[in-house]
Formats: sequence, structure tokens, C-alpha cells
Amino acid sequence: EDQVTQSPEALRLQEGESSSLNCSYTVSGLRGLFWYRQDPGKGPEFLFTLYSAGEEKEKERLKATLTKKESFLHITAPKPEDSATYLCAVQAYDMRFGAGTRLTVKP
Amino acid sequence: GEEVAQTPKHLVRGEGQKAKLYCAPIKGHSYVFWYQQVLKNEFKFLISFQNENVFDETGMPKERFSAKCLPNSPCSLEIQATKLEDSAVYFCASSHESAGGGGYTFGSGTRLTVV
Repeated sequence: EDQVTQSPEALRLQEGESSSLNCSYTVSGLRGLFWYRQDPGKGPEFLFTLYSAGEEKEKERLKATLTKKESFLHITAPKPEDSATYLCAVQAYDMRFGAGTRLTVKP
Repeated sequence: GEEVAQTPKHLVRGEGQKAKLYCAPIKGHSYVFWYQQVLKNEFKFLISFQNENVFDETGMPKERFSAKCLPNSPCSLEIQATKLEDSAVYFCASSHESAGGGGYTFGSGTRLTVV
């Protein structure tokens, strides 16, 4: 059965303290791995799509990487406005979401 | 428009009542997806459409849930005889393609509370 597991469940960082979020997956026939950001009371906002092992994508302070079994979302020198829940999703036949990592960045 | 518009934002129903949720996808997007988000951010896929045709309904509880996407109308998700466990936020998303290479664009959701 396709599974997506995100860790940690919650992460508290000081402003400027870099860290990484993990998304491990088991899926047959991966068509894409997606990262989304979700703010309270809103729908997920698309960040990145990764298709194959070794691929990397960057956007401002965020960088996503992909291996055959997991993806990392690296956050460099985060700011309080980066506080949100980060969701990972994998697409084989349908798109399956992980439970998310709730990131809080303190000033 | 450039937003996926979901209405209403909040809906309260007594157990056994009907609930109907609406979604207007982004113009030009052929695919519409419905997800249910319950506690702890768990997203459950319900159903997807390609234009007005059901594309994938593997996540739909068959007995009480139904959905439609008709031409020139918002898409709808209807729950007959709601149960307490149907309380959740229901998200609609749209995309150019089923695989969502550019990601899905989500609406802000409808929070359904069944009391």
C-alpha cells in the first residue's frame, strides 16, 4: 500500500536556525512528489514538484531534494513568516498526502 | 478566475441532514479534485473529475456521498444523511492535468460541522 510519512510532526526553530523536514514514501510507480505549504484556515499552496531521484528545486529559503525513498525540505535561515504546516504528497495513481510538519519560527 | 472558490466557508448540520458544498475551479483547468481533511492534517482523497466526467472515485464513500461537475455550473459535493464523523474541512482543488505537474491549486475549504 502506498504510504507517506513526514517527520518531525512539529518543529520549533529560532529565526535564522536552518533545519530540514523529512518525507519518506513507499509507492509503486511514482509520477511525482509534491511539497505544499498550508497556513491556518487556508488550502495548501503548491511549492515544488520533484520527479526523479537526484532532482533539486529551490525557492527563496526553501530547497527540496529527492532520493528513491525520501524527500527533504531544507529551510535556510528561516523567518517567522515561514511558520506554516508543510505537506508532502506523492502521486502514483492518485495523490496521497502525508500528515504534515507544523513549523514554528520564533523571532 | 485565478482562484478556486469554495462555498460556503462554514456549514453546520444536524446529524441526518443533507450537506451540499460547492467549488468553482480555475477557468481553463480540466481537472477537479475533492479532499477531506480531518484531525492532524490527514488528507483523504475523495473523487476527481475531468471536465464533467468522473476521473477517479476510489476514495468516495458510496452510500452517502455524491459529486457532480456540470458544464457552466460550480462543481458540488453532497452528503446525504450526515454523520458526526463527516465533520471535517473539505477542500477542492483544480489542475490543468491529472498528474498535477504544476501542482494542484486548492480552495480555502468548507468546514463542515455535524452536531
